[in-house]
Amino acid sequence: NAGVTQTPKFQVLKTGQSMTLQCAQDMNHEYMSWYRQDPGMGLRLIHYSVGAGITDQGEVPNGYNVSRSTTEDFPLRLLSAAPSQTSVYFCASTPLAGGEADTQYFGPGTRLTVL
Amino acid sequence: GQQLNQSPQSMFIQEGEDVSMNCTSSSIFNTWLWYKQDPGEGPVLLIALYKAGELTSNGRLTAQFGITRKDSFLNISASIPSDVGIYFCAGPPGGSYIPTFGRGTSLIVHP
Repeated sequence: NAGVTQTPKFQVLKTGQSMTLQCAQDMNHEYMSWYRQDPGMGLRLIHYSVGAGITDQGEVPNGYNVSRSTTEDFPLRLLSAAPSQTSVYFCASTPLAGGEADTQYFGPGTRLTVL
Repeated sequence: GQQLNQSPQSMFIQEGEDVSMNCTSSSIFNTWLWYKQDPGEGPVLLIALYKAGELTSNGRLTAQFGITRKDSFLNISASIPSDVGIYFCAGPPGGSYIPTFGRGTSLIVHP
């Protein structure tokens, strides 16, 4: 298993540009989520999904869109990038049932800079 | 917003010392999770706790689920340089499956 993969690893955008951060998992996990990590702020939930076709907002959803057309993929879209979105973005997945319920597996992160 | 208070924010210790950090919440948690994040990497699960009062070890790490279900502790014994990183507590508050994360404890170990 590759686990949770994220692309790209690094990205620099200009203000107003759009882009999609990719996330994929091969563990057949139902639950997937996106976090952003800023210095001293820990991990803040942006959006999450409990299965294909179902998404919901987390703590800091403004400026981001998500979709979940398959169990494996959960892309995060920035429609019009702003400097405040400079951050490290982590995708995570977890099974919703079984002995490992609630334990999240994280990808390696995407480091985004918006100029 | 975040419901978990994690302390201390940072620790600077000498190799061989023991480390203690804790997490408190205003809500009851059914699960407590402790993660470690190495520099430049994503967080990795260290220990998961599922019952109030539970004490679980993973090598030199020991974590406890507080009996009030509103706190948890992580101890690292005989620290080594590779213990360097950020340690996060996390868990879904009771009735939720959406995990909340603490702000992390940054650990630096001097050889």
